[in-house]
Amino acid sequence: EIVLTQSPGTLSLAPGERATLSCRASQSVSSSYLAWYQQKPGQAPRLLIYGASSRATGIPDRFSGSASGTDFTLTISRLEPEDFAVYYCQHYGNSRWTFGQGTKVEFK
Amino acid sequence: EEQLVQSGGEVRKPGESLKISCKASGYHVANYWIAWVRQMPGKGLEWMGIIYLGDSDTTYSPSFQGQVVMSADKSINTAYLEWSSLKASDTAIYYCARHRRYSSLTGDVWGKGTTVIVSS
Repeated sequence: EIVLTQSPGTLSLAPGERATLSCRASQSVSSSYLAWYQQKPGQAPRLLIYGASSRATGIPDRFSGSASGTDFTLTISRLEPEDFAVYYCQHYGNSRWTFGQGTKVEFK
Repeated sequence: EEQLVQSGGEVRKPGESLKISCKASGYHVANYWIAWVRQMPGKGLEWMGIIYLGDSDTTYSPSFQGQVVMSADKSINTAYLEWSSLKASDTAIYYCARHRRYSSLTGDVWGKGTTVIVSS
């Protein structure tokens, strides 16, 4: 069973700063099936990135994803006020989904 | 508009049964699976399982196998999640989301969630 570990648990930043979120898989996984979501209070998750680095429709280019082995990174180049939220990574494989535990990006 | 419309919030007592729904519209459902995801109060996302509306082929998370039943009615493009005997610990928001078959595109459309409260 694949386990995704996200770090840090909480990231305290100011608008305009760069956010770097990490997601590590417990074993080798296909980067084709790694996604990132944003969730705000009271809302359903929103797909940001799929295939490790492809932006979903309508997602601003300040959001980017990358992969290196079992390590995956979501970068928000310059935080906008609406970007303060919880972010989850997700892997899909063999008809199964796995989520990381989430990283909260909060106002510093 | 491509969307998943979920049934309304429910309040039940422990031991009662419940079936909630997720109706797909605006897209060709044969190209997608439907996943169910639980979010307990103040907690993260947990994958429960995935079902193909076309033939009801289902895969459950080991954590939810035997606890819930997923089903589908392809004639009305609707997936269901059912409990036969609810527990207080089933209190959560339940989301459905689609996953494109034979593709890396996952979770691009989500329902708004169904809130289930189980309390005596």
